[in-house]
Amino acid sequence: DGGITQSPKYLFRKEGQNVTLSCEQNLNHDAMYWYRQDPGQGLRLIYYSQIVNDFQKGDIAEGYSVSREKKESFPLTVTSAQKNPTAFYLCASSIDLKGTEAFFGQGTRLTVV
Amino acid sequence: GESVGLHLPTLSVQEGDNSIINCAYSNSASDYFIWYKQESGKGPQFIIDIRSNMDKRQGQRVTVLLNKTVKHLSLQIAATQPGDSAVYFCAENRASGTYKYIFGTGTRLKVLA
Repeated sequence: DGGITQSPKYLFRKEGQNVTLSCEQNLNHDAMYWYRQDPGQGLRLIYYSQIVNDFQKGDIAEGYSVSREKKESFPLTVTSAQKNPTAFYLCASSIDLKGTEAFFGQGTRLTVV
Repeated sequence: GESVGLHLPTLSVQEGDNSIINCAYSNSASDYFIWYKQESGKGPQFIIDIRSNMDKRQGQRVTVLLNKTVKHLSLQIAATQPGDSAVYFCAENRASGTYKYIFGTGTRLKVLA
């Protein structure tokens, strides 16, 4: 079955540590995205990638980094520079950036203690 | 600023009744709109989409209406069921930009037995 997979579902890290969230899709989509979701707020775009080896900052990129070495993979690293990293992180993909449905993964809940 | 928002943060509906969830958008250049459903702890699921050259689109038990004159989008759910309880997001995709999906904060739909 085609889909988008995020792992792990829950992640705990100590303050000051970097952590990488995995996102893999087998939909053959060119575009991939990372969003952050906080209680009572809409999804906020962290980074997006239109194609392999290319990515752009979203609205809240500070303290995060990404890579897009393979079409199917778009890992997100939450660095120690991110001041409030505890959140629900969602990865999505779409055929391209414009006018097509975005498919979401099931999310990773990151808790920094 | 330009945004996508929702009028009602919480909507309670009796089982079997119809539900209407509303959304306002401010960018007249947006030409593609999506409704997502998100259950607790999960990623958003695509419900239905509509392009700006249409006023109405119907799916299974759901209808999306687009009023470009007042920049308003609505999702109608017929014969609401307990399984419809979730948070519903609208999103716009701005074809005039390099991307992107802009999400509202969401409306929580509660189905009362």
